[in-house]
Amino acid sequence: QKEVEQDPGPLSVPEGAIVSLNCTYSNSAFQYFMWYRQYSRKGPELLMYTYSSGNKEDGRFTAQVDKSSKYISLFIRDSQPSDSATYLCAMSTGNQFYFGTGTSLTVIP
Amino acid sequence: NAGVTQTPKFQVLKTGQSMTLQCAQDMNHEYMSWYRQDPGMGLRLIHYSVGAGITDQGEVPNGYNVSRSTTEDFPLRLLSAAPSQTSVYFCASSYSKGGVTNYGYTFGSGTRLTVV
Repeated sequence: QKEVEQDPGPLSVPEGAIVSLNCTYSNSAFQYFMWYRQYSRKGPELLMYTYSSGNKEDGRFTAQVDKSSKYISLFIRDSQPSDSATYLCAMSTGNQFYFGTGTSLTVIP
Repeated sequence: NAGVTQTPKFQVLKTGQSMTLQCAQDMNHEYMSWYRQDPGMGLRLIHYSVGAGITDQGEVPNGYNVSRSTTEDFPLRLLSAAPSQTSVYFCASSYSKGGVTNYGYTFGSGTRLTVV
């Protein structure tokens, strides 16, 4: 069983839609949860970072962590064509990072 | 700040050749790592370092060597290239304290390697 599971998609939505991206994990020791955005042929860039359970909001992006269910989510409101990218979830115990395989998102104008 | 700089951006090798992928960061991060990214496999950790002179293996270390003589540089050496090492390689760094990194990575832009 993989440490982190992420649906690869692809996901295609119309501009302005609300997007929900999700990951599940198996290691209860994970304390730090991240979302990265990766544009085609670029390196991943850190989008959201949360510690332990709860919500974090940054502009159109909201990250949620439910440690009891071992489930994390990223919501994108009012999605834009510039949000078209691959989104990777990542988790850490503090010593090593574990990445999901990424979900490919396309926002259609 | 340049962040994390990787060179070269592209490379084609013949089977059996060796080469070094360069990685440098200017953020004074203690924690550095190398990943390879393959379709459907995600990012897989090759080697990592928690500080100068300290390295350790990740999930897929075979065929690769690393060393860390300075805080800034973390080169990855392919000893004898094989077609299975065709991939995109990313170097990343993170702030850490006492060998524990609680913060997200800063990634380089990647090296696309093809082994023929």
